[in-house]
Amino acid sequence: AQSVTQPDIHITVSEGASLELRCNYSYGATPYLFWYVQSPGQGLQLLLKYFSGDTLVQGIKGFEAEFKRSQSSFNLRKPSVHWSDAAEYFCAVGALGGNKLVFGAGTILRVKS
Amino acid sequence: EADIYQTPRYLVIGTGKKITLECSQTMGHDKMYWYQQDPGMELHLIHYSYGVNSTEKGDLSSESTVSRIRTEHFPLTLESARPSHTSQYLCASSEVKGASTEAFFGQGTRLTVV
Repeated sequence: AQSVTQPDIHITVSEGASLELRCNYSYGATPYLFWYVQSPGQGLQLLLKYFSGDTLVQGIKGFEAEFKRSQSSFNLRKPSVHWSDAAEYFCAVGALGGNKLVFGAGTILRVKS
Repeated sequence: EADIYQTPRYLVIGTGKKITLECSQTMGHDKMYWYQQDPGMELHLIHYSYGVNSTEKGDLSSESTVSRIRTEHFPLTLESARPSHTSQYLCASSEVKGASTEAFFGQGTRLTVV
């Protein structure tokens, strides 16, 4: 069965500092991986996705993520965090033609000035 | 910009009332989903649909029901709301296009049953 683990419930970083949010997945076949961001009271917005090819994918808002098959990981990174990045971030795994995405529990990012 | 809409955004309602949460998408997607999300918790799939007249239960058991009479519309109904139904409900849709199975989400309905 598919599963996603986001080990960090909360992360606090200073504005301008770098960020890495961890995501580990469990899936029997080739995974299709996503990172979504959710601001308070809002729905989920897709940041980036990985299907195949280059294991380093670029997304919106300056985010990137690297797929590491050997570690079953898909960590999200940003070199310099802005206060507007404070939100909750969800990692998800799905399958081509599959009927659902399985989400992690989310990581709440706080940015201090 | 994804065109998927949920109404109402917020709803406070008394125990025992019947409620319907609306979800509409204008992208022509065949697949639609309802997720339930409690504060600080992950999203749990409660219903999904492959297309018109198709509905399936998700991973998390729910007393709600759904219908899919039109491609663009996927309402969720609670016949008799209870405080345990208090949660945020997120609707999503997706289309398999090449290698893409990206899901687009609505802004959610935050339901409070008092």
